[in-house]
Amino acid sequence: EAGVAQSPRYKIIEKRQSVAFWCNPISGHATLYWYQQILGQGPKLLIQFQNNGVVDDSQLPKDRFSAERLKGVDSTLKIQPAKLEDSAVYLCASSQTGTLQPQHFGDGTRLSIL
Amino acid sequence: AQTVTQSQPEMSVQEAETVTLSCTYDTSESDYYLFWYKQPPSRQMILVIRQEAYKQQNATENRFSVNFQKAAKSFSLKISDSQLGDAAMYFCAYKEAGTALIFGKGTTLSVSS
Repeated sequence: EAGVAQSPRYKIIEKRQSVAFWCNPISGHATLYWYQQILGQGPKLLIQFQNNGVVDDSQLPKDRFSAERLKGVDSTLKIQPAKLEDSAVYLCASSQTGTLQPQHFGDGTRLSIL
Repeated sequence: AQTVTQSQPEMSVQEAETVTLSCTYDTSESDYYLFWYKQPPSRQMILVIRQEAYKQQNATENRFSVNFQKAAKSFSLKISDSQLGDAAMYFCAYKEAGTALIFGKGTTLSVSS
């Protein structure tokens, strides 16, 4: 089966600019996650979708970050305006419904803010 | 809030030897799940092993096994017969039903020949 696809793989922008990341989960996976991984740390959840509904966005900085999952398939994560502290790898993961269903991760997007 | 602590930022092991990575967590829940993920330089997170808290038997996957001590809230990973391909960042993670993973800060494992 095809894995979780993310693009772009790398992105360099200046602070205060905007950026968007795209994620295509594994076909049939109802649950989709966006994680932020700052260098030297473990991933931290930004937002969790179940189909096209938001389950948890408590750690999403809503003043600058937004995410959507139209039609319950692809998802986009946007940052506007970007800050220096947003430099990180943004990982998308998907899973079938069920606690023990493994989360499959994409290769991530490395974002550098100048 | 639940937390996951990995107290070893870096570990090293020689090929064919055994290494143990430590993880402790804090929770007031009785029903949860624990995972070890491997992240090589390619960045893709790969599930290594998982453990259901209600199971007393420690999980095993080939050369990888865990020592799950529920009362002590400890979940260590043992890698036997280490291989060069095992070199990576290893993350311990905690999960409850319907929630996302909570990760520790990771342990960088290096393997020498």
